[in-house]
Order: sequence, then C-alpha cells, then structure tokens
Amino acid sequence: DAKTTQPPSMDCAEGRAANLPCNHSTISGNEYVYWYRQIHSQGPQYIIHGLKNNETNEMASLIITEDRKSSTLILPHATLRDTAVYYCIVRASNSGNTPLVFGKGTRLSVIA
Amino acid sequence: DTGVSQDPRHKITKRGQNVTFRCDPISEHNRLYWYRQTLGQGPEFLTYFQNEAQLEKSRLLSDRFSAERPKGSFSTLEIQRTEQGDSAMYLCASSSPLDYEQYFGPGTRLTVT
Repeated sequence: DAKTTQPPSMDCAEGRAANLPCNHSTISGNEYVYWYRQIHSQGPQYIIHGLKNNETNEMASLIITEDRKSSTLILPHATLRDTAVYYCIVRASNSGNTPLVFGKGTRLSVIA
Repeated sequence: DTGVSQDPRHKITKRGQNVTFRCDPISEHNRLYWYRQTLGQGPEFLTYFQNEAQLEKSRLLSDRFSAERPKGSFSTLEIQRTEQGDSAMYLCASSSPLDYEQYFGPGTRLTVT
C-alpha cells in the first residue's frame, strides 16, 4: 500500500468547511483512498473512500486530483463533534477485508 | 445497537501478569482484526481471522501474544508476562465480504504498572 503524508494538526472554526489534505504521490492505479476518523477514546470510524472520481456522502466529500497524487477530505460545515484525528489510507482493495495501515493522521480541532 | 463490543474497557495489571481481552464482532461478519494503538500513534495491525482461521500475524505480535477465534464468532487476545511496553489501546474490528469498511469497537485500554 502506498504511503500517505498528512499535516499533524489543523484548526477550523465551527460552521466553516474543514479541508484536510493528504499526499499519496506513490499511489498505484488500482489503489483506493480511504478516510477514517477517530474521536477521542473511541475506535476509528469509516468516513468515505474513492478511486478516481470525487465522492460525497452524508458525512463528507472526497476530492481526488486528476493525477491521483493527492486528495482532500471536506467536512462542509464542521461542528465541535468533528474534533478528531483523521486518517488518510491508501489501499489496494475496495473492501474492508484486508488490514488497514494507519499513519499518524491529522488532528482536527473545531473551535467555537 | 449491535456494533463491535470489547471487554473489558480498561485493564490495569502488574508487570509479569497475564491478561485476556475479548472482542465480539458484528454477528454476520466473518473477518475479525486486532490492532494496537499507543499514545500519539495511529492503530497498528496485529492479526486477523477469517472465521476461525488466523490468516496473518504482524511482526508486532511477539510470542507472548496469542489470539484465538475458536468458533468463528468472538475472539480473545491474551498477553502473557505483560511488560510496561504493552501498555496501549487494543482495538478490535470486524468486516464482511460485501462491505468496504471495517467496524471498530471502543477498545480495551491496558495499563501495565
């Protein structure tokens, strides 16, 4: 699985969009970009994943650049409950059936 | 809610003692994973099962660690002769063949004194 690079921390004002970047310059053509988050004292939680196209669900949007070397997770209207560590993971599987390789992630602090 | 459950949530033990943790996955999930997370780090993979078969073990899983899933349902992770370096959060996750995500439990926090 390709490695990812994320900023260690970010702040976001409540109600504003939170844009979390991830670099994955060595990503292969068959590798997917996954995002999980971990709220303090809880297990990680799946957010979204994608291959090439931008994706949106009820939690977030995922924007993948055309060359697929980077992506951005967007939380459109951040709330205090979105304060968490966000992990960007690249993996060669479109299923949950292989182990996940986590980095250190980005600690997002949503500020009132 | 029938999510992944783990027991106990917290465990304090003295160095040299044995500890055992339990994980109950979501009922129809055939894959079960164990991860370990130390302070400030992301979770690290330890081992995983498909039904009762243990498919892969990480190099992190020393001889003092053993995991079982005897009937393909719940799993146990035992640590023998605990060391202070074993202090961590132990996370369990499960998944099904038809799903693209892993569902994590709340974790068991182990403190070795």
